[in-house]
Amino acid sequence: EIVMTQSPATLSVSPGERATLSCRASQSVSSNLAWYQQKPAQAPRLLIYGASTRATGIPARFSGSGSGTEFTLTISSLQSEDFAVYYCQQYDYWPQAFGQGTKVEIK
Amino acid sequence: EVQLLESGGGLVQPGGSLRLSCAASGFTFSTFALSWVRQAPGKGLEWVSAISYGGGSTYYADSVKGRFTISRDNSKNTLYLQMNSLRADDTAVYYCAKDRIEYYFDSSDYWGQGTLVTVSS
Repeated sequence: EIVMTQSPATLSVSPGERATLSCRASQSVSSNLAWYQQKPAQAPRLLIYGASTRATGIPARFSGSGSGTEFTLTISSLQSEDFAVYYCQQYDYWPQAFGQGTKVEIK
Repeated sequence: EVQLLESGGGLVQPGGSLRLSCAASGFTFSTFALSWVRQAPGKGLEWVSAISYGGGSTYYADSVKGRFTISRDNSKNTLYLQMNSLRADDTAVYYCAKDRIEYYFDSSDYWGQGTLVTVSS
């Protein structure tokens, strides 16, 4: 079973600043990695699939990179609506798995 | 517009059973894989189960294997999760989610709003 580890657990960022979130897989998942955003009392929203492709309607300030075991989600200039919890997910192997999440909070 | 509407959640005693349903609309149901993902109160997302577009392939998290069964009725555009031998740690909001591309397992591009399952005596 693949374990997904996200860091940091909490990231304090000021509006307009860049945020960099990390996700590590316990073994290679190729580029079968997605990022989701979740706000309180809402369902998750797909941001990135294939490690680096933005989903439909996702702003260009969100970008994903990496392959194999190391992945990064970058939010280039944080907007107020971006403060949320972010999860990575591998869908390369069964069982699929999510990371434990990174909370991006206002500094 | 894609819509996924879960139902069937509620309060159940430990050891009991519950069947969740997810009614889908706005896309060709029979050509997309589907998943169940849960979230315990105040916790992160946990992948639970997935089923292929035709229903012939199913996958489970170790934590639910042997207790939960995923199924689908493509004539009714509905996904199911039969949950047996429920435990307190199964308490969570259960989301159904649609895979992004036809015929393959992938990331999930649409999610329902979830249904709460509480296992308690």
